[in-house]
Amino acid sequence: AQKITQTQPGMFVQEKEAVTLDCTYDTSDQSYGLFWYKQPSSGEMIFLIYQGSYDEQNATEGRYSLNFQKARKSANLVISASQLGDSAMYFCAMREDNQAGTALIFGKGTTLSVSS
Amino acid sequence: SAVISQKPSRDICQRGTSLTIQCQVDSQVTMMFWYRQQPGQSLTLIATANQGSEATYESGFVIDKFPISRPNLTFSTLTVSNMSPEDSSIYLCSVGVHTEAFFGQGTRLTVV
Repeated sequence: AQKITQTQPGMFVQEKEAVTLDCTYDTSDQSYGLFWYKQPSSGEMIFLIYQGSYDEQNATEGRYSLNFQKARKSANLVISASQLGDSAMYFCAMREDNQAGTALIFGKGTTLSVSS
Repeated sequence: SAVISQKPSRDICQRGTSLTIQCQVDSQVTMMFWYRQQPGQSLTLIATANQGSEATYESGFVIDKFPISRPNLTFSTLTVSNMSPEDSSIYLCSVGVHTEAFFGQGTRLTVV
């Protein structure tokens, strides 16, 4: 079974609008971390936001916020006021046991296209 | 935090040859991770490299094809051996520091 599911292969949004990228996860661990990364065509992985499983508040980083619903095992990324430069691939990832020595598991990604 | 310098950033190689990718971290870390990203796909973990011991490989990846060295706590190499066009991918190294995860800039490999 997939550990990280991103059901939206592609999303389209107009500049200045908000967009939500979906992510659900599956783990039996109580402690885990959830991450979102942006990957432009250059291939680098740009960290956007992190949510720990014990964090009670939803994480926010500038225009990015993570809508964390633990009971539903979802960790959706919300991008407010989209910009043309937001066009990229977005990956949701999870680190089970949330230890630095544990690798991340990635979803298949969502391609976001922002138009003017 | 951690800054990872990965090189080369890209290469075009002939089939049957090998390429070694290097990652240098600006701080000491216990584990380093190597991922492969095939065209249009997500990141797949190749192996976990722990200093002083053999790397641990994920299912579908073998040491003969992807030998890894980890001579100290700041450096690691991944070699892609006897390359074929199917090895054309982006290869990324990564480290974890506390709750964060950092990536190198990636190596875009094309095998012709």
